[in-house]
Amino acid sequence: GENVEQHPSTLSVQEGDSAVIKCTYSDSASNYFPWYKQELGKRPQLIIDIRSNVGEKKDQRIAVTLNKTAKHFSLHITETQPEDSAVYFCAASTGNTGKLIFGQGTTLQVKP
Amino acid sequence: DAGVIQSPRHEVTEMGQEVTLRCKPISGHDYLFWYRQTMMRGLELLIYFNNNVPIDDSGMPEDRFSAKMPNASFSTLKIQPSEPRDSAVYFCASASQGGSYEQYFGPGTRLTVT
Repeated sequence: GENVEQHPSTLSVQEGDSAVIKCTYSDSASNYFPWYKQELGKRPQLIIDIRSNVGEKKDQRIAVTLNKTAKHFSLHITETQPEDSAVYFCAASTGNTGKLIFGQGTTLQVKP
Repeated sequence: DAGVIQSPRHEVTEMGQEVTLRCKPISGHDYLFWYRQTMMRGLELLIYFNNNVPIDDSGMPEDRFSAKMPNASFSTLKIQPSEPRDSAVYFCASASQGGSYEQYFGPGTRLTVT
């Protein structure tokens, strides 16, 4: 079955710097890759997603890139702010079942 | 829309007791997912339903866990008997094929088994 590996497990950056989180997946049939942000004690919330027919997608300070050949995708956060501090999860899905397989999560700390 | 609704938000019970967690998905969503989150194991998919039918229950840890979806607006996850290692946050999420399968999570139920 699908397996998603996420790195790093923790990431600490200075406010204003960029942060990059990387994920690899095993099932070449996967075609939907969402990213979720989970603040302490809250629910995971979708922040951005990408489908296999595009290589990059941006939404203000966040962007996701996808390399289907290498089977990896990344989340990029620019001009980080303290409110970006949270746990970020990547996930992968074949898209025709709705079933998501999540990575292990990355705890991002943005120091003011 | 009120979003995905879960109850109770917190549950403390003693080992051996039956626990029932409840979920109301977003109206019109045809997929419902149950997840368990722990520090050690992360976010695990337990089971999911499509149009009220269980599709994949391979993540259900053992026979003590069962889930039902009697109609499109209600699902339960039951643990009987409960054990301390079941302590976790249980999330319900819903999605729709028409919405390209974007999953929306409920607020979760924090279960503590003593």
